[in-house]
Amino acid sequence: NAGVTQTPKFQVLKTGQSMTLQCAQDMNHNSMYWYRQDPGMGLRLIYYSASEGTTDKGEVPNGYNVSRLNKREFSLRLESAAPSQTSVYFCASSDRGANTEAFFGQGTRLTVV
Amino acid sequence: AQSVTQLGSHVSVSEGALVLLRCNYSSSVPPYLFWYVQYPNQGLQLLLKYTSAATLVKGINGFEAEFKKSETSFHLTKPSAHMSDAAEYFCASPGAGSYQLTFGKGTKLSVIP
Repeated sequence: NAGVTQTPKFQVLKTGQSMTLQCAQDMNHNSMYWYRQDPGMGLRLIYYSASEGTTDKGEVPNGYNVSRLNKREFSLRLESAAPSQTSVYFCASSDRGANTEAFFGQGTRLTVV
Repeated sequence: AQSVTQLGSHVSVSEGALVLLRCNYSSSVPPYLFWYVQYPNQGLQLLLKYTSAATLVKGINGFEAEFKKSETSFHLTKPSAHMSDAAEYFCASPGAGSYQLTFGKGTKLSVIP
């Protein structure tokens, strides 16, 4: 029962480097999400994909891009990492939007130095 | 826009004592409301969900929440705290659109032996 799988689990980047966070779900869900979690801020939505072939900005999209590669996979790319992007990133999926239960990955702890 | 507010960033209770975690929502219409739990170094998982079918919602691990329209509240309770309940708890509701799940800032629950 894999659910939502994120890679990598940990990453350290230098300022200006780029990287892609990978996410895959095996529940045949239509909607997928990327959140970041910072102390005292809760979870904030970066981007979401309502269904395969669509992506939309969330609350904090600046500095990020996403790709919904197929129904299973939704990647998050940092083109030029900044220290402000140091955070824990969570991928999630749900069957039909935010009114249905979201299933979360284990998270990626990213540090930008 | 729908939003949720959690009162208290940190709550401490003794083992066996009542757990009460507070969440207030803002909306003119009955919302969808969720409580999620995050154990250390893990992703979030659903505790319970309100969908207007019943005002008292029972979730996993003995937790329940009561939707009170007059108070715009959806507080989470458990009659008797267990050490394993120590975690961070998040109230959430669909935000700007049906694909944007908005989270409260979280309440960290500590259980004292």
